[in-house]
Amino acid sequence: SQKIEQNSEALNIQEGKTATLTCNYTNYSPAYLQWYRQDPGRGPVFLLLIRENEKEKRKERLKVTFDTTLKQSLFHITASQPADSATYLCALDIFRNQGGKLIFGQGTELSVKP
Amino acid sequence: DAGITQSPRYKITETGRQVTLMCHQTWSHSYMFWYRQDLGHGLRLIYYSAAADITDKGEVPDGYVVSRSKTENFPLTLESATRSQTSVYFCASSEGGPPYNEQFFGPGTRLTVL
Repeated sequence: SQKIEQNSEALNIQEGKTATLTCNYTNYSPAYLQWYRQDPGRGPVFLLLIRENEKEKRKERLKVTFDTTLKQSLFHITASQPADSATYLCALDIFRNQGGKLIFGQGTELSVKP
Repeated sequence: DAGITQSPRYKITETGRQVTLMCHQTWSHSYMFWYRQDLGHGLRLIYYSAAADITDKGEVPDGYVVSRSKTENFPLTLESATRSQTSVYFCASSEGGPPYNEQFFGPGTRLTVL
């Protein structure tokens, strides 16, 4: 069956460390992959997009990698801060550019301790 | 107000009642989406719309009806609410298509069906 899997357990790290979140998928060939942040009681907010022909994308302290052979994306937050604590969702364009429809993973809850 | 808004933010209803959740965006985005978010399932697409008068089913459309007579509005109706439709509902909009634009989410509507 087609699946998107993110770290099922919450991730707890110390402030200043690098957080690494994983998004694995099967049986899809997405044209691109996106990462969103969601705070409690709020809607998701877009962070980064990486296309199938890109290996890595950076934005400030965020870095995303995309390995279409392994069917995996890694999301890194360097020099993490307590304000980075949130749930992070990966989303795949499995419909190959048909109207921007996305399939979301269940999300990984990140907690950064001071 | 600019952005994407949802109303009501909270709704309690009874089984069998009809409920309409409203979504309004001010960007004139072509694409709009309805998701539901449940523990253990993440975000699941209910319906989406590519433009006014164009709608299509997502992953979990049963029990829901949508319409889009104007670009800026995309109401979601539960024709006869069931307890299994208790969830948090998010509306999103996007310019859609290449170059792979991100989705902008509303604040969500928390619906409880008793």
